Amino acid sequence: DAGVTQSPTHLIKTRGQQVTLRCSPKSGHDTVSWYQQALGQGPQFIFQYYEEEERQRGNFPDRFSGHQFPNYSSELNVNALLLGDSALYLCASTLPRGTEAFFGQGTRLTVV
Amino acid sequence: GQNIDQPTEMTATEGAIVQINCTYQTSGFNGLFWYQQHAGEAPTFLSYNVLDGLEEKGRFSSFLSRSKGYSYLLLKELQMKDSASYLCAVGTFNAGNMLTFGGGTRLMVKP
Repeated sequence: DAGVTQSPTHLIKTRGQQVTLRCSPKSGHDTVSWYQQALGQGPQFIFQYYEEEERQRGNFPDRFSGHQFPNYSSELNVNALLLGDSALYLCASTLPRGTEAFFGQGTRLTVV
Repeated sequence: GQNIDQPTEMTATEGAIVQINCTYQTSGFNGLFWYQQHAGEAPTFLSYNVLDGLEEKGRFSSFLSRSKGYSYLLLKELQMKDSASYLCAVGTFNAGNMLTFGGGTRLMVKP
């Protein structure tokens, strides 16, 4: 079992650009959540996808959007990048009705 | 609102016992999670408390008091590899499980 996989591992973008991050959940998991983790801080919930729909959303602007595909994989899109968007973006998946979230290694995004 | 507090840093000696405290004030609560995160790596699940009391799992134990909004993670027989950040998180399952994390406690284990 490959666990939760994310791509790319590292990314450098310029202010104003757009970025797409990808996540494949752990086998058998149908729910995918995205978190933003700034350096030295705890992860912050962005949103969660279930059955290809956004089910919950944290306090993030509309520049952050996502998608879930029929195979449960997910994408996180960020438009009009700001320097403050530089962070580790973590994807987590859970079983149906599960509680324990399994995290991927994350994508380190640097905006310059 | 959501407020989860834990110490920023702690230092302990190899072989000793350390207790990492976490206090929370959240609008919803369905469980308290502890995760371990080594630098540059993904958070990994350590424990989950939904009822009051102590949950023991090998060298790691976690305690919860819902009335006090308080939890702690106890690490026994510390090893150098335990040097990591420890994240306290409250789970809310209104529509799926959303985790609200504290800032994390960076633990340094010294020889």
